[in-house]
Amino acid sequence: EAQVTQNPRYLITVTGKKLTVTCSQNMNHEYMSWYRQDPGLGLRQIYYSMNVEVTDKGDVPEGYKVSRKEKRNFPLILESPSPNQTSLYFCASSSGSHSGANVLTFGAGSRLTVL
Amino acid sequence: GQNIDQPTEMTATEGAIVQINCTYQTSGFNGLFWYQQHAGEAPTFLSYNVLDGLEEKGRFSSFLSRSKGYSYLLLKELQMKDSASYLCAVRAFYGGATNKLIFGTGTLLAVQP
Repeated sequence: EAQVTQNPRYLITVTGKKLTVTCSQNMNHEYMSWYRQDPGLGLRQIYYSMNVEVTDKGDVPEGYKVSRKEKRNFPLILESPSPNQTSLYFCASSSGSHSGANVLTFGAGSRLTVL
Repeated sequence: GQNIDQPTEMTATEGAIVQINCTYQTSGFNGLFWYQQHAGEAPTFLSYNVLDGLEEKGRFSSFLSRSKGYSYLLLKELQMKDSASYLCAVRAFYGGATNKLIFGTGTLLAVQP
């Protein structure tokens, strides 16, 4: 089944404790992206990747890092989480690196709480 | 700048028709998407318009007017399972080889019996 898999689905952590949210897709998509979703603000892009070893900032990159060492994986790293990073996170992928985002397939979401 | 507006909430009756509007101001427009998101779930793709006119897919249709910066999603024969948020997303060309997708804040549709 074609899908985007992200883990963990739920996480409660404390301020400053580094964490990684993994994202993997099995559709051989070039384009991958991370979004956060907050009430009243909609989906906001954190980082995106057009292909392996090619990443760029989205609209809200502060406090996050990403890497794209393999085509299928695009982990999101919070080096020192803070309470304002409490949010619902979605990883998404699509075909078409040359044109950027096409129809996105989203992962199921990761709900992160930072105390 | 980029801006997308859609109503925050709408209510409709089972079996009826509802139209969800989306207006946008953006440079480099390169397509408009509609996604459906049930509470606590991931968004799923509904429709895509890049040229003016109506695209029909079963009970769902989407319309685009590029000159007016306007789109709507039309849902017919509403069912209770259509209760969800509907996200309008505009793709804009940012130069080079990059398109960027910008999401509106979504319209929460409640379908009542």
